[in-house]
Amino acid sequence: AQSVAQPEDQVNVAEGNPLTVKCTYSVSGNPYLFWYVQYPNRGLQFLLKYITGDNLVKGSYGFEAEFNKSQTSFHLKKPSALVSDSALYFCAVRGVIGFQKLVFGTGTRLLVSP
Amino acid sequence: DAGVIQSPRHEVTEMGQEVTLRCKPISGHNSLFWYRQTMMRGLELLIYFNNNVPIDDSGMPEDRFSAKMPNASFSTLKIQPSEPRDSAVYFCASSPGLAGVLQETQYFGPGTRLLVL
Repeated sequence: AQSVAQPEDQVNVAEGNPLTVKCTYSVSGNPYLFWYVQYPNRGLQFLLKYITGDNLVKGSYGFEAEFNKSQTSFHLKKPSALVSDSALYFCAVRGVIGFQKLVFGTGTRLLVSP
Repeated sequence: DAGVIQSPRHEVTEMGQEVTLRCKPISGHNSLFWYRQTMMRGLELLIYFNNNVPIDDSGMPEDRFSAKMPNASFSTLKIQPSEPRDSAVYFCASSPGLAGVLQETQYFGPGTRLLVL
């Protein structure tokens, strides 16, 4: 069965600095990988996804993520953090074979300080 | 586009009562998902439908939970009888493709915050 690990419960970064939110996955075969963001009292919003092709995926709000197959990672990055980026970030994975659920990580809270 | 609509946004009920959560997916979407989010267990998929047919309900915690999708624009998640451990945020999501089109993005509603006393 597929699984996702987000090793950091919280990431703190100063505004203007680069940010990284880590994600590693386990799946049989090739993965489909997603990042979602959740603001307080809101549903999850799609940020970006990796399906195939270029390992660097660009998404909404200036976020990007790099797929690394050898390290089974899909870290979320942004060159310059904004205070408004403060939210809960979820990584999710599903395998490409058959009907498989989208499995979410436990989430990482990003706090961007002014 | 109104997005996925869920009602009610908040529900407070007493143990033993029946609770019905409602969802209207994005028009034209073929797949619908119900999730539950708690601090302890994170985000869990309860059930998903494709073309109004339940495909996988293995995440439904027990027989007290049931879900229906009578048509393409409406789904319900019912808990009867409710228990305090059912307190959580319940999300509905929809996606445009078939359930087998695995790269489809899911679009989430705002959630229903349920508190069972």
